[in-house]
Amino acid sequence: QKEVEQDPGPLSVPEGAIVSLNCTYSNSAFQYFMWYRQYSRKGPELLMYTYSSGNKEDGRFTAQVDKSSKYISLFIRDSQPSDSATYLCAMSEDGGSQGNLIFGKGTKLSVKP
Amino acid sequence: DAGITQSPRHKVTETGTPVTLRCHQTENHRYMYWYRQDPGHGLRLIHYSYGVKDTDKGEVSDGYSVSRSKTEDFLLTLESATSSQTSVYFCATSILAGGYEQYFGPGTRLTVT
Repeated sequence: QKEVEQDPGPLSVPEGAIVSLNCTYSNSAFQYFMWYRQYSRKGPELLMYTYSSGNKEDGRFTAQVDKSSKYISLFIRDSQPSDSATYLCAMSEDGGSQGNLIFGKGTKLSVKP
Repeated sequence: DAGITQSPRHKVTETGTPVTLRCHQTENHRYMYWYRQDPGHGLRLIHYSYGVKDTDKGEVSDGYSVSRSKTEDFLLTLESATSSQTSVYFCATSILAGGYEQYFGPGTRLTVT
């Protein structure tokens, strides 16, 4: 069993839809949870991070962590064609400074006008 | 934009030849990372550095070496390239001790024939 599981999609939604992206994990020691966005042929960019459990909101984006279920989510409200990208979850025990940031394989999202 | 450049951006090389990829940053970030990204595997850590001349292995370090003689430069060397090393290589940096806020470069697309 891989440490981090993420449905690769592709996920196609109409503009304005609410998008839900998810990851599950097996390591109960993970404390830091991140979401990165990667446009085609570009490097990933950090969208949001959460420490431990709870929700975090930033504009149209909301990150949720449920440590009891080992499940994290990213919600995108009022999705736009510019949100079309691959979304990577990432997590670590100590924040990743020692090189142990574990990434999911990414979910490819397409938002249709 | 954390001011990370990678060179070359594209390279085609033959099996058995040595290859060096360069990552250059202008942000004075202490931590630097080399990842490879492959379909079906996602991002995997090759090596990382936590300071000048301080490096350590990641998940997929076999066949790779690194060097960091200056804060701003992190080199990745494939000693004798193999077809299995055909991939997209990303450099990343972080300033925080937590390391979760990693800034990625644009990537190098390497093909080994």
